[in-house]
Amino acid sequence: SQKIEQNSEALNIQEGKTATLTCNYTNYSPAYLQWYRQDPGRGPVFLLLIRENEKEKRKERLKVTFDTTLKQSLFHITASQPADSATYLCALVGGSGNTGKLIFGQGTTLQVKP
Amino acid sequence: NAGVTQTPKFQVLKTGQSMTLQCAQDMNHEYMSWYRQDPGMGLRLIHYSVGAGITDQGEVPNGYNVSRSTTEDFPLRLLSAAPSQTSVYFCASSYRSGSAGELFFGEGSRLTVL
Repeated sequence: SQKIEQNSEALNIQEGKTATLTCNYTNYSPAYLQWYRQDPGRGPVFLLLIRENEKEKRKERLKVTFDTTLKQSLFHITASQPADSATYLCALVGGSGNTGKLIFGQGTTLQVKP
Repeated sequence: NAGVTQTPKFQVLKTGQSMTLQCAQDMNHEYMSWYRQDPGMGLRLIHYSVGAGITDQGEVPNGYNVSRSTTEDFPLRLLSAAPSQTSVYFCASSYRSGSAGELFFGEGSRLTVL
């Protein structure tokens, strides 16, 4: 069966360090993968998209990698700040073509301590 | 622009009651979808629509109906509420269906079924 797996355990790091979150998937061949941020009581907010032919994508302190051989995406936040504390969700397109459905992992909660 | 607007924000139902969760977007997006979010389960796709008059099922469609008579609105109907439908519901839209479209989420509707 198709699965998207993120580490369900919360990630606790010290301010200024790099946070690395993992998204693994099985039985998918996604054309692209997205990352979202969700704060408590709010809807998810889009952060980054990476396509299957891109190895890496950057946006300010954020970096995403996409390894279609390992079926894995890594999400990095460099110089982390307490304001980065949130739940981070990965998502990819299931199905095919323009009617593909965006399917989400369960999310990993990041806690950045001052 | 208001973005994606969901109503109500909170609702308590008794088992067997029916209700409609409203979702409206003012971005002229063609793609709209409904997710439910439960602890430890992440976001699960209920139904989606790629345009007015076109709807399809997601991962967990049972017990829910949708229709898309206009581009702007995508209501979610619970026909006979059950305690298993206690959840937080998110409506999301995208300017383009499936391919590389980031999702814009509403703030969620928290439903409790007693």
